[in-house]
Amino acid sequence: ETGVTQTPRHLVMGMTNKKSLKCEQHLGHNAMYWYKQSAKKPLELMFVYNFKEQTENNSVPSRFSPECPNSSHLFLHLHTLQPEDSALYLCASSQPTAGRTEAFFGQGTRLTVV
Amino acid sequence: AQSVTQLDSHVSVSEGTPVLLRCNYSSSYSPSLFWYVQHPNKGLQLLLKYTSAATLVKGINGFEAEFKKSETSFHLTKPSAHMSDAAEYFCVVKGTGGFKTIFGAGTRLFVKA
Repeated sequence: ETGVTQTPRHLVMGMTNKKSLKCEQHLGHNAMYWYKQSAKKPLELMFVYNFKEQTENNSVPSRFSPECPNSSHLFLHLHTLQPEDSALYLCASSQPTAGRTEAFFGQGTRLTVV
Repeated sequence: AQSVTQLDSHVSVSEGTPVLLRCNYSSSYSPSLFWYVQHPNKGLQLLLKYTSAATLVKGINGFEAEFKKSETSFHLTKPSAHMSDAAEYFCVVKGTGGFKTIFGAGTRLFVKA
């Protein structure tokens, strides 16, 4: 148990559906991240939030829409996804200080787009 | 610029034999280095980290790693593999200048009985 909780653990959605992934941490961290992990590909950083402000968007398609209402919660809103978006989506949190702090990861949401 | 290279995409060992997972890094600054482990369908768990203190770092589950600046390496070792060590391992470099964290491509460890 890392202190970062993601829900749901598994999600199957059609290409026309709208769904949201949720991430919650009570570690007192002020930085939160979304990563995408696809089979046979390196981990891809999608978004970074520091003190609720988005500080990084790595050219993620607009069908993925993040939301960070407070430092403890992070959402990823999904709409009109494609089958290639099927992946494990990992949330992480850390202290926002530059450098020597590690990230704590949630268990991930396994997303399947049909 | 920063980068990290895990030299083996997969490693296979027999239970009870030593484990060596290799990682080389490149960083313009004094880096922080981490090893994470990921079991199937699970999130990433921190094994150990190097943050410019001792060059030999001990982590959980009997793993350790040695920071060698001259070789720009941070290899992960364990004296005796256990079946439960079978997982994917990620080497990670993080610079001091910002939030950039670079993940290696991962090394899948197989442990044979």
